[in-house]
Amino acid sequence: DGGITQSPKYLFRKEGQNVTLSCEQNLNHDAMYWYRQDPGQGLRLIYYSQIVNDFQKGDIAEGYSVSREKKESFPLTVTSAQKNPTAFYLCASRRVIDYGYTFGSGTRLTVV
Amino acid sequence: GENVEQHPSTLSVQEGDSAVIKCTYSDSASNYFPWYKQELGKGPQLIIDIRSNVGEKKDQRIAVTLNKTAKHFSLHITETQPEDSAVYFCAASNAAGNKLTFGGGTRVLVKP
Repeated sequence: DGGITQSPKYLFRKEGQNVTLSCEQNLNHDAMYWYRQDPGQGLRLIYYSQIVNDFQKGDIAEGYSVSREKKESFPLTVTSAQKNPTAFYLCASRRVIDYGYTFGSGTRLTVV
Repeated sequence: GENVEQHPSTLSVQEGDSAVIKCTYSDSASNYFPWYKQELGKGPQLIIDIRSNVGEKKDQRIAVTLNKTAKHFSLHITETQPEDSAVYFCAASNAAGNKLTFGGGTRVLVKP
């Protein structure tokens, strides 16, 4: 079955450590996205990429970094510069010719 | 940039009644408006969408209406069932179609 896989589902890290969240898709989608979700709030765009080796900042990119070395993969690194990293992180993808997004099941990051 | 407002933030309905969620957007160039359903601990799933050249779209018990002049769109769920209980998000795409901006979400509780 085609889909988006985010791993791990739960992640705990100590304050000051960088952590990388994985996102892999086998849908042959061109564009990939990272959103952050906080309790009671909507989804906020962190970074997105429309083609390999290219990505753009979203609305809340500070403290985050990404790479897009392969079409299937779009890992997100939460750096120690992110002031409040505890959140639910969602990865999504879409074909460039379509508008609809397919979401992964998310990674809940807790920084202690 | 685009701004999407969603109301109400919570909605409690009796099973069998209708539920209506309303969203407004700020960018008149937005041309695609999807609705997502998110169950606890999962990623959002697309349930219905509408493009700016259409005023209304229906799929079984759910329907979406769009008023471009007023820049608002609504989700209607008829004959609600307990499995409709979830968080619903509206979103608006930018004119290029490469970014979605989400509303803050509506938590819907259907009481049996």
